[in-house]
Amino acid sequence: GQNIDQPTEMTATEGAIVQINCTYQTSGFNGLFWYQQHAGEAPTFLSYNVLDGLEEKGRFSSFLSRSKGYSYLLLKELQMKDSASYLCAVRDPHGRDSNYQLIWGAGTKLIIKP
Amino acid sequence: EAQVTQNPRYLITVTGKKLTVTCSQNMNHEYMSWYRQDPGLGLRQIYYSMNVEVTDKGDVPEGYKVSRKEKRNFPLILESPSPNQTSLYFCASSTSNQPQHFGDGTRLSIL
Repeated sequence: GQNIDQPTEMTATEGAIVQINCTYQTSGFNGLFWYQQHAGEAPTFLSYNVLDGLEEKGRFSSFLSRSKGYSYLLLKELQMKDSASYLCAVRDPHGRDSNYQLIWGAGTKLIIKP
Repeated sequence: EAQVTQNPRYLITVTGKKLTVTCSQNMNHEYMSWYRQDPGLGLRQIYYSMNVEVTDKGDVPEGYKVSRKEKRNFPLILESPSPNQTSLYFCASSTSNQPQHFGDGTRLSIL
């Protein structure tokens, strides 16, 4: 079956670095998305990985290993506003309407403490 | 400004009273989707649409209807709402191989 696993909750300290992991088991793979969602708000797009390696965007980086079915989101110099849920989603090329449909993880709630 | 607009943002209603949540996008996206989000369960897809007059069931379609008569609009209809449909609802849109854009959400409470 299709499955995406993320830790339910993580806690980190302001100014520190945190890594949020995502593992997936899908029938195929055609890209992985990370979204940020503040409580009660809409998810907003953070990053997209389709090839192995690290994509850096300011304080946020995302890594992908297709052979391991694994990705992580790295957040540096944590700020209080980074307290949010982080959603991992995978595009499966074998799925129906595969250029559009995503398989979603349940999200990781990140709590930042002063 | 590119956006997905949902209305209403909040609604409290009673069991059995038909309601419609509207969704409109201004990006000419062919794909639109409705999700519900409940604590601990993440985003679950209700229905999606690949283009005008083309709709398909997601993972949790029971109790919902949708229509796509125009490319920009994708309303979600609850013909006879029940308390288990109390949830946070999101509409999203995208074009091929691009990230999905989400509306601000509709918090629905059914008593």
